[in-house]
Amino acid sequence: DTGVSQDPRHKITKRGQNVTFRCDPISEHNRLYWYRQTLGQGPEFLTYFQNEAQLEKSRLLSDRFSAERPKGSFSTLEIQRTEQGDSAMYLCASSHRDRANYGYTFGSGTRLTVV
Amino acid sequence: DAKTTQPNSMESNEEEPVHLPCNHSTISGTDYIHWYRQLPSQGPEYVIHGLTSNVNNRMASLAIAEDRKSSTLILHRATLRDAAVYYCILREDPSEKLVFGKGTKLTVNP
Repeated sequence: DTGVSQDPRHKITKRGQNVTFRCDPISEHNRLYWYRQTLGQGPEFLTYFQNEAQLEKSRLLSDRFSAERPKGSFSTLEIQRTEQGDSAMYLCASSHRDRANYGYTFGSGTRLTVV
Repeated sequence: DAKTTQPNSMESNEEEPVHLPCNHSTISGTDYIHWYRQLPSQGPEYVIHGLTSNVNNRMASLAIAEDRKSSTLILHRATLRDAAVYYCILREDPSEKLVFGKGTKLTVNP
């Protein structure tokens, strides 16, 4: 297993455009989390899935953000009508519900720049 | 909001031990204490976790105060590759989501 993969690593987009990021978790992990991190800050929780069900969304996740995890495998995070304030690193992590105390595995993130 | 308090930064010399403190005075009986670290341009990396007893693994040791209101991450011999931001986190139930604070930026001097 190669860990958690995120694609793309970098994305530059113009304000107002839509963007979509993909996360491939560790195959046997049934929980998947999305975080956002801006410079100098710790990661902020956005949302999480257990299998295909989205169980919690942060108040940070405005209506322009949507996440899916069809079939409980990979996940996508879409941002519609991007704003400059959306510029950040978007991190994905996965864990196994019954082995959560073995920690999360994070991907290397997707860095979004909105110009 | 993060429920832990850590110093913003610490410095150490290479091959010396490092003690990274964390206060979590509002910890509940079922909260696990997790430590992660983040190297530049990478996602956070799991380091260690514990509930009540001190814990050791290949990366570090975790010392937990008897009242569990504080803990200390111990790197026994710091290397230049240990330079990172270290996060002390209380794992929340039932989502088990991790709520990160700003962490401690550790600088290791050669």
